[in-house]
Amino acid sequence: NAGVTQTPKFRVLKTGQSMTLLCAQDMNHEYMYWYRQDPGMGLRLIHYSVGEGTTAKGEVPDGYNVSRLKKQNFLLGLESAAPSQTSVYFCASSHVPDRSDEQFFGPGTRLTVL
Amino acid sequence: GQTIDQPTEMTATEGAIVQINCTYQTSGFNGLFWYQQHAGEAPTFLSYNVLDGLEEKGRFSSFLSRSKGYSYLLLKELQMKDSASYLCACMDSNYQLIWGAGTKLIIKP
Repeated sequence: NAGVTQTPKFRVLKTGQSMTLLCAQDMNHEYMYWYRQDPGMGLRLIHYSVGEGTTAKGEVPDGYNVSRLKKQNFLLGLESAAPSQTSVYFCASSHVPDRSDEQFFGPGTRLTVL
Repeated sequence: GQTIDQPTEMTATEGAIVQINCTYQTSGFNGLFWYQQHAGEAPTFLSYNVLDGLEEKGRFSSFLSRSKGYSYLLLKELQMKDSASYLCACMDSNYQLIWGAGTKLIIKP
């Protein structure tokens, strides 16, 4: 099993460009999450999904959109990238989070916006 | 607001014991997680506590006091490979994780 995979691993964008980050999981998890991680700050939830065809906003959703057309995939889109979106993006997945269920993380995407 | 506080950085010696503290204030509480994150890598699960007390798992133990809003992660017989950041996270009333900024642990020979 590959677990949680993310593509691409690295990307450099210019301000105003758009891109899509792809997350895939093969563990049949219902829940999927997109986080960003910045120096000196904890992981912050951007958007999440509780099942195929559903999405919800997290703590920092502005400037991002998501889609979950298939249970195993969760896409994060940046419509018009800004330097403030320079960050490391992690996707995670879990079973229905009934207490002890851990989240499994992908390897991350390192995004730089110039 | 919801807050998770943990020290920014700690240094310890190979073979020694280190305790990493975490204090929290969240809206509701459905458990506390500890994750390990090596530089440039993804976080990986270490432990989960929802009841008061100590949970032991090999060289790692985690303690929780719900009344004090306090947890610690105890690492024994430190090895160089334990050099990493340790992330404390609380599950709130909506079953979402609220994350601390992490504690960078530096192990010296």
